[in-house]
Amino acid sequence: TQLLEQSPQFLSIQEGENLTVYCNSSSVFSSLQWYRQEPGEGPVLLVTVVTGGEVKKLKRLTFQFGDARKDSSLHITAAQPGDTGLYLCAGVNGNQFYFGTGTSLTVIP
Amino acid sequence: KAGVTQTPRYLIKTRGQQVTLSCSPISGHRSVSWYQQTPGQGLQFLFEYFSETQRNKGNFPGRFSGRQFSNSRSEMNVSTLELGDSALYLCASSFWAGEYEQYFGPGTRLTVT
Repeated sequence: TQLLEQSPQFLSIQEGENLTVYCNSSSVFSSLQWYRQEPGEGPVLLVTVVTGGEVKKLKRLTFQFGDARKDSSLHITAAQPGDTGLYLCAGVNGNQFYFGTGTSLTVIP
Repeated sequence: KAGVTQTPRYLIKTRGQQVTLSCSPISGHRSVSWYQQTPGQGLQFLFEYFSETQRNKGNFPGRFSGRQFSNSRSEMNVSTLELGDSALYLCASSFWAGEYEQYFGPGTRLTVT
C-alpha cells in the first residue's frame, strides 16, 4: 500500500491569507496530481507535476514536487472564498492512483 | 466534449438489497475507475477497467463487482448492502497524456438504511 498523508487535515482561514498544504509519502511516484473537490461533486484535476523539483503555477496556486518525487506541496496566495473545498493529492505510478487523506479548506470572507 | 456522467445521482436502499450504478466515460477514454468516498476513510480505490477487462482491484469484499462494456461504459454492483456501504461512489475515466490523467464524474450518493 502506498500511503499519502496530507497535512493539515482541516484549515480555516480568512480571505486574503496565504496557506500551504503538504502531501507526504515514503513511496516514489512517477507523477503527482492535485485535485479540488466541492461538496456534492467529484474531484477536479488541478495540476500534474512530473519532474522532481518541478514547480508549477496556476494563478494564485503554486505546486511543487519534491526532489525525491515522494512529496508535494500546494501553496495558495491571497486565498479567496472560491478556494474553499477539499484538496486531494494523488501519487501516480503507471495507471495506478494513490489518493491522499485530503485537506478540507474553508476561506472565510 | 461531454464530461463523465453517473446515474443515478442519489439512491436510497435497504440493508440486504443490491444496487447497480452506471458510469459513462468521456468519449475516447478507455479506462474507467471506481472509488468509494466516505468522511472517515477518504477516497478508496475499488477497481479499474480497461477495454472490458478488470486491470486493477482494490481491497474490497467480493460483494463489490463491476464490468465494462464495449462502448467503455461501466457499471458497478454491490450485493447484500450493509449500512457501512453508505458513501459517495465516484467514477473516473482516464487517458494517457504523457501521464495518466483522471476525470471524475459527480458521483452517486448511496444511502443504505
